[in-house]
Amino acid sequence: DVKVTQSSRYLVKRTGEKVFLECVQDMDHENMFWYRQDPGLGLRLIYFSYDVKMKEKGDIPEGYSVSREKKERFSLILESASTNQTSMYLCASTPLQTGSSEQYFGPGTRLTVT
Amino acid sequence: AQTVTQSQPEMSVQEAETVTLSCTYDTSENNYYLFWYKQPPSRQMILVIRQEAYKQQNATENRFSVNFQKAAKSFSLKISDSQLGDTAMYFCAFMKGFSGSARQLTFGSGTQLTVLP
Repeated sequence: DVKVTQSSRYLVKRTGEKVFLECVQDMDHENMFWYRQDPGLGLRLIYFSYDVKMKEKGDIPEGYSVSREKKERFSLILESASTNQTSMYLCASTPLQTGSSEQYFGPGTRLTVT
Repeated sequence: AQTVTQSQPEMSVQEAETVTLSCTYDTSENNYYLFWYKQPPSRQMILVIRQEAYKQQNATENRFSVNFQKAAKSFSLKISDSQLGDTAMYFCAFMKGFSGSARQLTFGSGTQLTVLP
């Protein structure tokens, strides 16, 4: 089975802190994604990566950056956390291939910024 | 840009009954894929069912089936013989047909389904 893991299920940080959210997948997938999930808004794409050291902005990249130094690991960075970044963050991965390949999701990290 | 709309924020159904969740989408693409994902309480998001736009036949997966109306840009999910374990948030999602490396999903806002005993 594909496994996508995230470093923390719950995280509490203070305004202005630098925050790292880690995601690891074990299926050698090329594509990895970071979403944030908010009530009434569904999932919105922050950043994605289709290869090591490659990244592309999603729909809401402001205030975030990412890092992909190894194929299996994709990190989301909040340079200076703000209260409006309190949310559920989901990581996902999928192989690079044609067709309707599904995305495999991690369990999520619920981040609270106080 | 694509948009996905789920107009039912919450729904409930009695155990063993049938329920239909609605989804509409807007796109100028001709080649695309549609998905329903399920997010149970405090558990990971998983794929329920997928549909290729070029296929006229509606996808089915056991108790789950879709009604795909391409001209109307509608993609509803029908759950038959509802079970307590079907209680979850359901998301409709859109993906463009293969275009280089881009395989991102566009999600709707979700429908919280509660199955009542």
